Amino acid sequence: DIQLTQFPSFLSASVGDTVTITCRASQGFNNYLAWYQQKPGKAPELLIYAASTLRRGVPSRFSGSGSATAFTLTISSLQPEDFATYYCQQHNTNSVFPFGQGTKLEIK
Amino acid sequence: QVQLQESGPGLVKPSQPLSLTCTVSGGSLNYGFYYWNWIRQPAGKGLEWIGRIYSTGSSNFNPSLKSRVTMSIDTSKNQVSLNLISVTAADTAVYYCARGGYSNSLYAFDIWGQGTKVTVSS
Repeated sequence: DIQLTQFPSFLSASVGDTVTITCRASQGFNNYLAWYQQKPGKAPELLIYAASTLRRGVPSRFSGSGSATAFTLTISSLQPEDFATYYCQQHNTNSVFPFGQGTKLEIK
Repeated sequence: QVQLQESGPGLVKPSQPLSLTCTVSGGSLNYGFYYWNWIRQPAGKGLEWIGRIYSTGSSNFNPSLKSRVTMSIDTSKNQVSLNLISVTAADTAVYYCARGGYSNSLYAFDIWGQGTKVTVSS
């Protein structure tokens, strides 16, 4: 089964910064890679799917890219509400749906 | 607007079965090409996909849990159920149900319930 590794695990940044989170897969797969945002005590929310497709209603400062084994989530011009934990996930229909271990984005 | 709501016992004794229900409102389980997933999250840890079920009853499970998990679907009640047997403290977590549909998100999980906390303890 494919395993996903995110890095960094923790990220400290300031409002207005641009940050990038990386998700690496143990083997290549199609671009069915999703990114979720989770705030404390809340369920995760889908931000991006198919590596780069922004879910309707998600601010355009979020963007995703990558293919095969390396994917990235970039958040431009960080807003206070963006400080949360982010997870990547493979959403290929023919396999399990593993998540990365998460990246906690904290205010510097 | 489709909403999901998990329910079940908050406390389960070790070795006993855990049963949770996800009730879908604002839409029918039978409508569209959607899988209904269960995910769990131990306190302070990451997300673990447990399995999924389709409206026909077809299902897939995480290999690490497959021997202990069953899922069922009741379209008349618009509910999806999760059953996990022989639970231990390691099964203590918040359990979420989530929808994955092809047309909306290529099966990424676009709608989540609020989660229900389950503690395994004697």
